Amino acid sequence: GENVEQHPSTLSVQEGDSAVIKCTYSDSASNYFPWYKQELGKGPQLIIDIRSNVGEKKDQRIAVTLNKTAKHFSLHITETQPEDSAVYFCAASKGTNSGYALNFGKGTSLLVTP
Amino acid sequence: DGGITQSPKYLFRKEGQNVTLSCEQNLNHDAMYWYRQDPGQGLRLIYYSQIVNDFQKGDIAEGYSVSREKKESFPLTVTSAQKNPTAFYLCASSLLGASGPFFGPGTRLTVL
Repeated sequence: GENVEQHPSTLSVQEGDSAVIKCTYSDSASNYFPWYKQELGKGPQLIIDIRSNVGEKKDQRIAVTLNKTAKHFSLHITETQPEDSAVYFCAASKGTNSGYALNFGKGTSLLVTP
Repeated sequence: DGGITQSPKYLFRKEGQNVTLSCEQNLNHDAMYWYRQDPGQGLRLIYYSQIVNDFQKGDIAEGYSVSREKKESFPLTVTSAQKNPTAFYLCASSLLGASGPFFGPGTRLTVL
């Protein structure tokens, strides 16, 4: 089955700096890659996603890039703020119009210090 | 007020008892999912359902059962056959072909 690896497991940055989280996947048939932010004790929140027919997508301070050949994708957060502190998860699936069964990375705990 | 609701937020059970976790959505989503999260781990798929009266096993279905009798409801039963049931259980739903899935607030199950 699909194997998603995520690095780093912890990341500490100063407010205003950029943060980058990287993931690799094993199944070349995967075509949908969402990213989630999870705060302590809450359910994950979808923050951005990308499909395999697109190389990059941006939404304000958040961007995701996808390299299908290398089978890796990355989350970029610019101008980080303390409220960005959370655990971030990447995921991959062979998403179709029948729905998504996601395979998740193990998460990155991001700490943004003032 | 649209969304995904899970109840209860915290649940305690004695070892050997079956327990059912509730998940309801009023988003008119077609697909629903159950994931399990253990401390410091990613989410692992238990079961998912794309349409009413149909569901598929995920990676860790052993010791769990589900039903999908209504589009808006996807309850999960944790049976006594599940060897290590203490975990954070997350329900999610998605609209076919759209972004997602979107997660509920979770139920933290502790088996004593």
